Amino acid sequence: EIVLTQSPATLSLSPGERATLSCRASQSVSSYLAWYQQKPGQAPRLLISDASNRATGIPARFSGSGSGTAFTLTISSLEPEDFAVYYCQERSDWPRATFGGGTKVEIK
Amino acid sequence: EVHLLESGGGLVQPGGSLRLSCAASGFTFSSHAMSWVRQAPGKGLEWVSIISGSGGSTYYADSVKGRFTISRDNSKNTLYLQMDSLRADDTAVYYCAKDEVVPFDYWGQGTLVTVSS
Repeated sequence: EIVLTQSPATLSLSPGERATLSCRASQSVSSYLAWYQQKPGQAPRLLISDASNRATGIPARFSGSGSGTAFTLTISSLEPEDFAVYYCQERSDWPRATFGGGTKVEIK
Repeated sequence: EVHLLESGGGLVQPGGSLRLSCAASGFTFSSHAMSWVRQAPGKGLEWVSIISGSGGSTYYADSVKGRFTISRDNSKNTLYLQMDSLRADDTAVYYCAKDEVVPFDYWGQGTLVTVSS
């Protein structure tokens, strides 16, 4: 069973700053990794699929990179609406889907 | 526009049953697999179950296998989750999601299931 470890657990930043979120897999998942954003009381929203492809309607300030076991979600300049929890997800052991524990991006 | 709307959540006693529904619109429902994903209060996301577009194939997480049954009615564009023998640790918000293998590309707003005496 693949384990996804996200770090840091909490990221305290100010609007306009750059956010760098990490997701590490216990074994290779190739590029089959997705990122989601979840705001309080809302459903998760797909941001990135296949490690680096932005989903429809996602602003260009969100970018994903990585392959194998190390992945990064970067928010180039935080907007007020970007403060949320972010999850990574893989599915190398289809049909089971595994999520990381999440990174909370909070206002400093 | 894709829209998913869950219903059927509520308070149920341990050992009880509940049936969740998810009404889908905005896409060809029968052509897509669908999943249920849950989130316990204050916790992360857990995949629960998946059903193929035709309904002929179903899979479950070990935590719910033998207790939950996923199904769909393509004539009604509706996904279901029958939950039996419910336990306290099944308490969660249950989301239906359009399943595109790695990404779950669309999610419903969720329905809360509380298992408590």
